[in-house]
Amino acid sequence: DQQVKQNSPSLSVQEGRISILNCDYTNSMFDYFLWYKKYPAEGPTFLISISSIKDKNEDGRFTVFLNKSAKHLSLHIVPSQPGDSAVYFCAASVNGGSQGNLIFGKGTKLSVKP
Amino acid sequence: KAGVTQTPRYLIKTRGQQVTLSCSPISGHRSVSWYQQTPGQGLQFLFEYFSETQRNKGNFPGRFSGRQFSNSRSEMNVSTLELGDSALYLCASSPRGGSNQPQHFGDGTRLSIL
Repeated sequence: DQQVKQNSPSLSVQEGRISILNCDYTNSMFDYFLWYKKYPAEGPTFLISISSIKDKNEDGRFTVFLNKSAKHLSLHIVPSQPGDSAVYFCAASVNGGSQGNLIFGKGTKLSVKP
Repeated sequence: KAGVTQTPRYLIKTRGQQVTLSCSPISGHRSVSWYQQTPGQGLQFLFEYFSETQRNKGNFPGRFSGRQFSNSRSEMNVSTLELGDSALYLCASSPRGGSNQPQHFGDGTRLSIL
C-alpha cells in the first residue's frame, strides 16, 4: 500500500513558465513533508520542506503548498529553468522525521524545454 | 562543507556473497539513515542510527544489518546476497535526528549481483 503517491510519472514545461508537481498521501499521521530533486548518477538533493502546522513555505523559486484536509501537497517552481530538469521526489514522515524514516513517492520526471 | 560520502560507488558481487557499504555523514551530523532504491519499489527505508544505536528499522530481512561508530560513520552489511538485492543503496544524514530536520543524501553505492 503506497502511502505517498506521485501520480504523474512525467511533466514537460516550457522554460520561464511555472512547473507544478503534485503529491498525495494517505497517512494522516504524517506531519513533515519534503521535496527532493535527483539527477542521474547522483543522490537526492533536498529542496524544501514543510511542517504540518503550515500550509505554505517558500524558498526562492520554490514554493511548497500543503492541504491537510485533502492530504495533498504540491511544489511550484517559478520560473522554470532547463537546469530544473530532473526527477522530483515527494517524501513524508511522522513525528517530524525524528525516527529517521522518510516515506517516498515514486517520483515525477520534470523536463524543462528551452 | 563536505557532503555525505559513500564508498564504494560501484560494486559487483555474486549470489551468496556478503558486502559491506560505508557512509560518512556530514561533519557534525549524528543521525544516519539507509535506503534502498530499485526501479520497482522506489526508495525504501532500511534503518536509522543515532549515537551508535539503531533507533528504527524498515521491513527488510535480517540479512540486512548496520552499525554506527563513535564518529557517526556508518556501515551496512548484506549477507547471503540474492539477485534481488541489486539496487542503489543511499545513505542520508541529519544533525540531531530530531524533528523537522531534512536528511541530506550521498550519491549512493550501486550494487550489482551476478
